[in-house]
Amino acid sequence: EDKVVQSPLSLVVHEGDTVTLNCSYEVTNFRSLLWYKQEKKAPTFLFMLTSSGIEKKSGRLSSILDKKELFSILNITATQTGDSAIYLCAGDSGGGADGLTFGKGTHLIIQP
Amino acid sequence: GAGVSQSPSNKVTEKGKDVELRCDPISGHTALYWYRQSLGQGLEFLIYFQGNSAPDKSGLPSDRFSAERTGGSVSTLTIQRTQQEDSAVYLCASSQRTGRYTEAFFGQGTRLTVV
Repeated sequence: EDKVVQSPLSLVVHEGDTVTLNCSYEVTNFRSLLWYKQEKKAPTFLFMLTSSGIEKKSGRLSSILDKKELFSILNITATQTGDSAIYLCAGDSGGGADGLTFGKGTHLIIQP
Repeated sequence: GAGVSQSPSNKVTEKGKDVELRCDPISGHTALYWYRQSLGQGLEFLIYFQGNSAPDKSGLPSDRFSAERTGGSVSTLTIQRTQQEDSAVYLCASSQRTGRYTEAFFGQGTRLTVV
């Protein structure tokens, strides 16, 4: 059974801090790992990672994948209150349901 | 349309009533997923369609839940005899495999409240 585990489940930091969110996965016929940010109801796409060791960056957010150790991290530097959200990680499998397996998310709260 | 569209955006229903949730995926997307997110929980997979067929229904929590997709486009998720534990945000996503990789695009969800 495919599994994606995120940690921590929740995190409270002060504005300006740097945070690292973790995602480990066990996904059959792994194709890619995706990160989403969920602020209200619908997650919005952040990154898709397919290759080990190649960092993806978007502003203050960056992410990297380790396909040997089966994990990914999402870094956010100089956090702002607008970064408060649930960050979801999903593994894309080519087998079985041919779909995405989501982790339970990390609930990030940035305090002013 | 430009994105995945779900309706209604909010639904309040009485316990025991049936509800129907609709998802209109991005045009041309062959894969369609239904997820449920309960308060404080992560996303829970419900069902997946490839075209009109549903190769994986393993996530449907009970036989009160059913879903169909016609014409390879719009999908409806039906919950019969709703219970309070059915209260959640129901999210729909669609994707179109290009090459080896998939990116799923989510709708805004339907917030279902069973009272």
